[in-house]
Amino acid sequence: QTVVTQEPSFSVSPGGTVTLTCGLSSGSVSTSYYPSWYQQTPGQAPRTLIYSTNTRSSGVPDRFSGSILGNKAALTITGAQADDESDYYCVLYMGSGVWVFGGGTKLTVL
Amino acid sequence: EVQLVQSGAEVKKPGESLKISCKGSGYSFTSYWIGWVRQMPGKGLEWMGIIYPGDSDTRYSPSFQGQVTISADKSISTAYLQWSSLKASDTAMYYCARRPPQVGSYWFDPWGQGTLVTVSS
Repeated sequence: QTVVTQEPSFSVSPGGTVTLTCGLSSGSVSTSYYPSWYQQTPGQAPRTLIYSTNTRSSGVPDRFSGSILGNKAALTITGAQADDESDYYCVLYMGSGVWVFGGGTKLTVL
Repeated sequence: EVQLVQSGAEVKKPGESLKISCKGSGYSFTSYWIGWVRQMPGKGLEWMGIIYPGDSDTRYSPSFQGQVTISADKSISTAYLQWSSLKASDTAMYYCARRPPQVGSYWFDPWGQGTLVTVSS
């Protein structure tokens, strides 16, 4: 079964830039997987950040951006703020109406 | 405003059945897919399956096929996730989320607030 990989944890300083990635256990992520990214804070439902690789969802600040870097999808946060401290999940579309989430990255801002 | 409102928290015993709901409003319910996502305590998100209320076309993750049933009643703009015999391992938060119908639109937004299911003897 396909496994979608994410860094379990990451740390960034306030004002800094961080790039979280989303890969495949076998193969490369491309735009054909339509990667999307979601932010989740404790006790809250997920919030959509990025879809179709690099399109920001309505109301999402432009310091969040999505891309393909090498063989992975990437979420970059530029000018990290304290309230960016959250869990971040990517999900890839596998075709035939099936999606797979990554395991999530816990981002610490300190 | 587009909203998905889920039913309230449930506490059940192993072996019992359960059906939780997700009611859409502010848009044409039959024109968008509704997906279901599980989050076990302290764990990540897991995609379970999806339904198109317009024609009840349903797809399941291989991990959840045969374990749950997804359905919808378009007359009341509501999607459902049900179990016939709950296990303790079904204890989790369950989210519904909307997916646009267009080819190439493979994301989920908005999300429901979640339904906490606790299965304990």
